[in-house]
Amino acid sequence: DTAVSQTPKYLVTQMGNDKSIKCEQNLGHDTMYWYKQDSKKFLKIMFSYNNKELIINETVPNRFSPKSPDKAHLNLHINSLELGDSAVYFCASMGRLSNEQFFGPGTRLTVL
Amino acid sequence: AQTVTQSQPEMSVQEAETVTLSCTYDTSESNYYLFWYKQPPSRQMILVIRQEAYKQQNATENRFSVNFQKAAKSFSLKISDSQLGDTAMYFCAFIGFGNEKLTFGTGTRLTIIP
Repeated sequence: DTAVSQTPKYLVTQMGNDKSIKCEQNLGHDTMYWYKQDSKKFLKIMFSYNNKELIINETVPNRFSPKSPDKAHLNLHINSLELGDSAVYFCASMGRLSNEQFFGPGTRLTVL
Repeated sequence: AQTVTQSQPEMSVQEAETVTLSCTYDTSESNYYLFWYKQPPSRQMILVIRQEAYKQQNATENRFSVNFQKAAKSFSLKISDSQLGDTAMYFCAFIGFGNEKLTFGTGTRLTIIP
Protein backbone atom coordinates (compact mmCIF):
# COMPACT_ATOMS: atom_id res chain seq x y z
CA ASP A 1 0.00 0.00 0.00
CA THR A 2 2.67 2.44 -1.16
CA ALA A 3 1.51 6.06 -0.87
CA VAL A 4 3.46 7.54 -3.80
CA SER A 5 5.02 5.19 -6.32
CA GLN A 6 7.27 5.85 -9.30
CA THR A 7 8.41 3.65 -12.14
CA PRO A 8 11.05 2.93 -13.08
CA LYS A 9 13.44 3.41 -10.15
CA TYR A 10 16.45 3.37 -12.44
CA LEU A 11 16.67 4.49 -16.05
CA VAL A 12 19.80 4.40 -18.18
CA THR A 13 19.55 5.69 -21.71
CA GLN A 14 21.47 7.26 -24.57
CA MET A 15 21.57 10.96 -25.39
CA GLY A 16 18.84 11.96 -27.80
CA ASN A 17 16.35 9.31 -26.68
CA ASP A 18 12.85 9.98 -25.36
CA LYS A 19 11.80 8.49 -22.02
CA SER A 20 8.92 8.62 -19.54
CA ILE A 21 8.65 8.29 -15.79
CA LYS A 22 5.32 7.38 -14.22
CA CYS A 23 3.97 8.46 -10.85
CA GLU A 24 0.89 7.39 -8.95
CA GLN A 25 -0.44 8.34 -5.53
CA ASN A 26 -3.19 6.62 -3.57
CA LEU A 27 -3.56 9.28 -0.89
CA GLY A 28 -6.45 11.10 -2.50
CA HIS A 29 -4.38 14.28 -2.79
CA ASP A 30 -5.25 16.96 -5.32
CA THR A 31 -1.76 18.33 -5.88
CA MET A 32 1.19 16.49 -7.40
CA TYR A 33 4.76 17.56 -8.17
CA TRP A 34 7.93 16.72 -10.01
CA TYR A 35 11.29 17.64 -8.48
CA LYS A 36 14.80 17.27 -9.83
CA GLN A 37 17.69 16.48 -7.49
CA ASP A 38 21.07 17.16 -9.03
CA SER A 39 24.44 15.62 -8.20
CA LYS A 40 24.94 18.14 -5.38
CA LYS A 41 21.66 16.96 -3.82
CA PHE A 42 19.91 20.26 -4.49
CA LEU A 43 16.15 19.75 -4.81
CA LYS A 44 14.36 21.96 -7.29
CA ILE A 45 10.70 21.97 -8.16
CA MET A 46 9.91 21.46 -11.83
CA PHE A 47 6.13 21.23 -12.11
CA SER A 48 3.02 21.12 -10.01
CA TYR A 49 -0.47 19.99 -10.96
CA ASN A 50 -3.63 20.55 -8.99
CA ASN A 51 -6.51 18.31 -9.98
CA LYS A 52 -5.02 17.77 -13.45
CA GLU A 53 -4.33 21.50 -14.02
CA LEU A 54 -0.77 22.83 -14.34
CA ILE A 55 -0.16 25.41 -11.62
CA ILE A 56 3.62 25.64 -11.37
CA ASN A 57 6.13 25.48 -14.21
CA GLU A 58 9.57 26.52 -13.08
CA THR A 59 11.11 27.49 -16.43
CA VAL A 60 11.85 23.91 -17.30
CA PRO A 61 12.96 23.28 -20.92
CA ASN A 62 10.03 22.33 -23.11
CA ARG A 63 11.68 18.97 -23.74
CA PHE A 64 10.05 18.09 -20.40
CA SER A 65 6.32 17.57 -20.64
CA PRO A 66 4.24 16.52 -17.64
CA LYS A 67 0.94 14.78 -18.22
CA SER A 68 -1.80 14.22 -15.68
CA PRO A 69 -4.50 11.84 -16.94
CA ASP A 70 -6.27 12.05 -13.57
CA LYS A 71 -5.50 13.53 -10.20
CA ALA A 72 -3.85 10.32 -8.96
CA HIS A 73 -1.27 10.24 -11.76
CA LEU A 74 1.40 12.63 -12.94
CA ASN A 75 3.78 11.33 -15.58
CA LEU A 76 6.91 13.02 -16.88
CA HIS A 77 7.98 12.65 -20.49
CA ILE A 78 11.40 13.85 -21.57
CA ASN A 79 12.32 14.31 -25.23
CA SER A 80 15.79 14.43 -26.74
CA LEU A 81 17.58 13.57 -23.51
CA GLU A 82 20.80 15.44 -22.75
CA LEU A 83 23.72 14.63 -20.47
CA GLY A 84 22.61 17.39 -18.08
CA ASP A 85 19.30 15.65 -17.53
CA SER A 86 21.07 13.01 -15.47
CA ALA A 87 19.64 13.36 -11.97
CA VAL A 88 17.20 11.83 -9.53
CA TYR A 89 13.60 12.79 -10.25
CA PHE A 90 11.10 12.74 -7.42
CA CYS A 91 7.36 12.74 -7.62
CA ALA A 92 5.39 14.06 -4.65
CA SER A 93 1.83 14.74 -3.63
CA MET A 94 0.33 17.10 -1.10
CA GLY A 95 -2.85 17.14 0.93
CA ARG A 96 -4.80 20.36 1.08
CA LEU A 97 -5.12 20.47 4.86
CA SER A 98 -1.61 19.72 6.06
CA ASN A 99 0.62 21.24 3.37
CA GLU A 100 2.79 18.18 3.92
CA GLN A 101 4.32 16.63 0.83
CA PHE A 102 4.76 12.89 0.45
CA PHE A 103 7.54 11.77 -1.84
CA GLY A 104 7.96 8.81 -4.12
CA PRO A 105 11.14 6.70 -4.00
CA GLY A 106 12.77 8.65 -6.82
CA THR A 107 13.94 7.68 -10.30
CA ARG A 108 17.64 7.83 -11.00
CA LEU A 109 18.06 8.83 -14.63
CA THR A 110 21.46 8.39 -16.24
CA VAL A 111 22.03 9.75 -19.73
CA LEU A 112 25.08 8.36 -21.51
CA ALA B 1 10.33 34.86 -3.20
CA GLN B 2 11.15 32.66 -0.27
CA THR B 3 14.67 31.45 0.41
CA VAL B 4 15.88 28.77 2.79
CA THR B 5 19.49 28.69 3.97
CA GLN B 6 21.33 25.82 5.58
CA SER B 7 24.80 27.05 6.47
CA GLN B 8 26.29 23.69 7.49
CA PRO B 9 27.04 21.54 4.42
CA GLU B 10 28.38 18.69 6.57
CA MET B 11 28.37 17.68 10.22
CA SER B 12 29.47 14.64 12.16
CA VAL B 13 28.90 13.57 15.75
CA GLN B 14 29.52 10.55 17.93
CA GLU B 15 26.70 8.12 18.46
CA ALA B 16 24.50 9.01 21.45
CA GLU B 17 25.49 12.70 21.32
CA THR B 18 23.16 15.57 20.58
CA VAL B 19 23.47 17.56 17.36
CA THR B 20 21.77 20.71 16.12
CA LEU B 21 21.27 21.52 12.45
CA SER B 22 20.70 25.16 11.51
CA CYS B 23 18.17 26.62 9.11
CA THR B 24 17.18 30.20 8.39
CA TYR B 25 14.59 31.43 5.94
CA ASP B 26 13.38 34.63 4.43
CA THR B 27 9.75 35.40 3.74
CA SER B 28 7.26 38.24 3.89
CA GLU B 29 4.40 35.87 4.70
CA SER B 30 3.01 35.60 8.21
CA ASN B 31 1.42 32.16 7.92
CA TYR B 32 3.51 29.26 6.72
CA TYR B 33 4.81 25.80 7.48
CA LEU B 34 8.35 24.61 8.05
CA PHE B 35 9.63 21.08 7.66
CA TRP B 36 12.70 18.98 8.15
CA TYR B 37 13.11 16.11 5.72
CA LYS B 38 15.63 13.30 6.02
CA GLN B 39 17.16 11.58 3.00
CA PRO B 40 19.17 8.47 3.94
CA PRO B 41 21.39 6.67 1.43
CA SER B 42 18.29 4.84 0.20
CA ARG B 43 17.35 8.30 -1.24
CA GLN B 44 13.80 8.15 0.09
CA MET B 45 12.61 11.56 1.34
CA ILE B 46 11.21 11.13 4.85
CA LEU B 47 9.42 13.81 6.82
CA VAL B 48 11.06 14.20 10.23
CA ILE B 49 9.11 17.04 11.79
CA ARG B 50 6.84 19.96 10.88
CA GLN B 51 6.04 23.29 12.47
CA GLU B 52 3.14 25.64 11.84
CA ALA B 53 4.27 29.25 12.09
CA TYR B 54 1.21 30.29 14.07
CA LYS B 55 2.09 27.85 16.85
CA GLN B 56 4.50 29.20 19.42
CA GLN B 57 5.23 25.80 20.90
CA ASN B 58 8.19 24.02 19.36
CA ALA B 59 7.36 20.74 17.64
CA THR B 60 8.77 17.50 19.05
CA GLU B 61 8.85 13.98 17.61
CA ASN B 62 10.59 11.51 19.91
CA ARG B 63 14.33 12.32 19.70
CA PHE B 64 13.77 15.15 17.23
CA SER B 65 12.80 18.65 18.27
CA VAL B 66 12.95 22.10 16.73
CA ASN B 67 13.83 25.54 17.99
CA PHE B 68 11.51 27.83 16.05
CA GLN B 69 12.30 31.53 16.38
CA LYS B 70 9.77 33.32 14.18
CA ALA B 71 11.15 36.82 14.64
CA ALA B 72 14.65 35.67 13.79
CA LYS B 73 13.31 33.42 10.98
CA SER B 74 15.26 30.53 12.36
CA PHE B 75 14.24 26.88 12.47
CA SER B 76 16.91 24.55 13.85
CA LEU B 77 16.61 20.79 14.31
CA LYS B 78 17.95 19.07 17.41
CA ILE B 79 18.59 15.34 17.37
CA SER B 80 19.08 13.85 20.81
CA ASP B 81 20.76 10.52 21.57
CA SER B 82 21.86 10.25 17.95
CA GLN B 83 21.81 6.82 16.34
CA LEU B 84 23.65 5.34 13.38
CA GLY B 85 20.39 5.31 11.45
CA ASP B 86 20.27 9.10 11.68
CA THR B 87 23.09 9.30 9.13
CA ALA B 88 21.50 11.10 6.18
CA MET B 89 21.08 14.37 4.29
CA TYR B 90 18.72 16.69 6.14
CA PHE B 91 16.73 19.31 4.27
CA CYS B 92 14.91 22.25 5.76
CA ALA B 93 11.86 23.35 3.74
CA PHE B 94 9.31 26.16 3.71
CA ILE B 95 5.82 26.51 2.27
CA GLY B 96 3.46 29.44 2.55
CA PHE B 97 -0.03 28.81 3.87
CA GLY B 98 -2.35 28.08 0.97
CA ASN B 99 0.62 27.90 -1.36
CA GLU B 100 1.71 24.88 -3.38
CA LYS B 101 5.42 25.57 -3.75
CA LEU B 102 7.80 23.95 -1.26
CA THR B 103 11.22 25.62 -1.12
CA PHE B 104 14.16 23.53 0.08
CA GLY B 105 17.47 24.48 1.61
CA THR B 106 20.68 23.04 0.19
CA GLY B 107 20.88 20.32 2.81
CA THR B 108 23.22 19.23 5.60
CA ARG B 109 24.98 15.91 5.36
CA LEU B 110 24.99 14.39 8.85
CA THR B 111 27.21 11.46 9.75
CA ILE B 112 26.85 9.60 13.02
CA ILE B 113 30.14 8.04 14.06
CA PRO B 114 30.04 4.72 15.93
